[in-house]
Amino acid sequence: QVQLQESGPGLVKPSQTVSLTCTVSGDSISSDGYYWAWLRQHPGKGLEWIGFIHYRGRTYYSPSLKSRVTLSVDTSENQFSLDLNSVSAADTAVYFCAKVRDYSSGYHFEYWGRGTLVTVSS
Amino acid sequence: SYEVTQPPSVSVSPGQTASITCSGDKLGKKYAAWYQQKPGQSPVLVIYQDTRRPSGIPERFSGSNSGNTATLTISGAQAMDEADYYCQAWESNTVIFGGGTKLTVL
Repeated sequence: QVQLQESGPGLVKPSQTVSLTCTVSGDSISSDGYYWAWLRQHPGKGLEWIGFIHYRGRTYYSPSLKSRVTLSVDTSENQFSLDLNSVSAADTAVYFCAKVRDYSSGYHFEYWGRGTLVTVSS
Repeated sequence: SYEVTQPPSVSVSPGQTASITCSGDKLGKKYAAWYQQKPGQSPVLVIYQDTRRPSGIPERFSGSNSGNTATLTISGAQAMDEADYYCQAWESNTVIFGGGTKLTVL
């Protein structure tokens, strides 16, 4: 059974970059047919997609966050990461990583991590 | 940009059938997925590719998608089904989520 675990700082100062890592166990990140995603959920709000990455490097980003987001993958560590720069209080949210099934005409999120709360505050 | 719309809340009596809709332009021509999220937990996939149910998801969960509306149906709703439900689609290289529907079983 695949498991995903987010890690990173719980508190970040405004204007800084938050870096989160998702460690995958029970599965190989180097699997064709799958992507690896980041999503977030503001307190009391709905789900927001940030982007996803294939182990070969192809990426898809949310248009609203694309200018501030970088995704990367480390196949040797079976991890993938999110960098979000120029953060503000509006980026305070629970951040989830997820495994994405790719069936060419669509995608869905098969497995999710537990999420990690990131608070942006000085 | 493409949007999908869900009702903010739906109520159902235990043992009855709950239907949660997700509306978007020509949504029936795209695949829809549904997620269940209980308070303090991460989302769980309950329906994908409109009608398919992942292993471990009870048979009382079913889905359909036609025209402009995808529907998640919970037949014989139970107290444990009380949760937020989100629909999701893919359009123009973008993941689209509905705003979520709070299902109350009372």
